[in-house]
Amino acid sequence: NAGVTQTPKFQVLKTGQSMTLQCAQDMNHEYMSWYRQDPGMGLRLIHYSVGAGITDQGEVPNGYNVSRSTTEDFPLRLLSAAPSQTSVYFCASSPLSGNTEAFFGQGTRLTVV
Amino acid sequence: AQSVSQHNHHVILSEAASLELGCNYSYGGTVNLFWYVQYPGQHLQLLLKYFSGDPLVKGIKGFEAEFIKSKFSFNLRKPSVQWSDTAEYFCAVMPYGNNRLAFGKGNQVVVIP
Repeated sequence: NAGVTQTPKFQVLKTGQSMTLQCAQDMNHEYMSWYRQDPGMGLRLIHYSVGAGITDQGEVPNGYNVSRSTTEDFPLRLLSAAPSQTSVYFCASSPLSGNTEAFFGQGTRLTVV
Repeated sequence: AQSVSQHNHHVILSEAASLELGCNYSYGGTVNLFWYVQYPGQHLQLLLKYFSGDPLVKGIKGFEAEFIKSKFSFNLRKPSVQWSDTAEYFCAVMPYGNNRLAFGKGNQVVVIP
């Protein structure tokens, strides 16, 4: 019963490098999303998806790309990392229904130097 | 888009003191409401949630929250805190049928033994 799994847990990148944060869920949830957490800012929505093949921008999408080729996976790509992207990233999933709650992964702590 | 306000970002208490954290949201429709807790170095955990029914909701670890629809508020309370309640607390709002979860900026709570 894995729930939402994020990899890696920690990552250090150099400015300009690219990488993909992985997120997988095994609950057959239609909705998946990515948040970043910064001190004093709470969690801010980066991108979200309501199902395979459908993605949309959240509050802070610049510098990030996503795709949703399967129900289970929702990777987040940083094409050219910047120090401003140093943050903790959380992936979440939830079923598409009226009364629903989000299930969160354990987070990825990313440092861009 | 909905917004969530949490006041008094930093709260310092002594053990056995009572805790109340305010949360107000701006959204005119039906909402699902949540409080999450993040202990130092850990991921988000759900403290409690409100979907409908009794506006006084009880969660884990002795926490409770009250939904006051007329005030667009969902305040968190604990009658007597412990040192282990030192954490950051986030209020979050999800419009019914939307799945987009919006977070407040959090309350950093420090309990002094």
